[in-house]
Amino acid sequence: QMQLVESGGGVVQPGGSLRLSCEASGFIFNKYGMHWVRQAPGKGPEWVALIWYDGSGQYYIDSVKGRFTISRDNSKNTLDLQMNNLGAEDTAVYYCAKDWAQATYYFDLWGQGTLVIVSS
Amino acid sequence: IVLTQSPGTLSLSPGERATISCRASQSIRTHLAWYQQKPGQAPRLVIYGASNRATGVPDRFSGGVSGAVFTLTISRLEPEDFAVYYCQQYSSPPRTFGQGTKVYI
Repeated sequence: QMQLVESGGGVVQPGGSLRLSCEASGFIFNKYGMHWVRQAPGKGPEWVALIWYDGSGQYYIDSVKGRFTISRDNSKNTLDLQMNNLGAEDTAVYYCAKDWAQATYYFDLWGQGTLVIVSS
Repeated sequence: IVLTQSPGTLSLSPGERATISCRASQSIRTHLAWYQQKPGQAPRLVIYGASNRATGVPDRFSGGVSGAVFTLTISRLEPEDFAVYYCQQYSSPPRTFGQGTKVYI
């Protein structure tokens, strides 16, 4: 059974940092692009970042460029998101999501999400 | 690219037909997906490529396109279909979602 499980969310002060992780199982992890998608309370989802199947390419939405870093470890089937200089606008549920292929940018498997709250 | 969904909410009964529209502000060819989201759950892929059902999605769900307007149709609503539906374009960066349509009983 294909599964994604996120961890690492929590409450952080403005300007702080947080690292999210996602553990994948049930599929060949190193064959697929992987994404982070977030959803602010009461809003629609927002794509945040993509990493290619082999980690050689990373892409970000403009609002997080220079602050967030996506990475993966194919030997451990894990995906990470390092988030620095967080602001209130980053408050959301963060989902890791599997690309349908390598970089189609639509998502056929989602984790349950981890909540990030940026507040003083 | 801005995606505008309509209606924002849809009140229907089980067995009825639901039709949700999604208009793209620019051409996205058929690079559109639909997701279903239930309270407290992650979105679930329903349709990709405008009209292709994702794995395991019942055939009462169908997607279509006419010009710049995409539609998601649920032919006969089952109790488990009441949820929020989002369209998403994956044609051009940044890939964007619509604001959602809530289908409720």
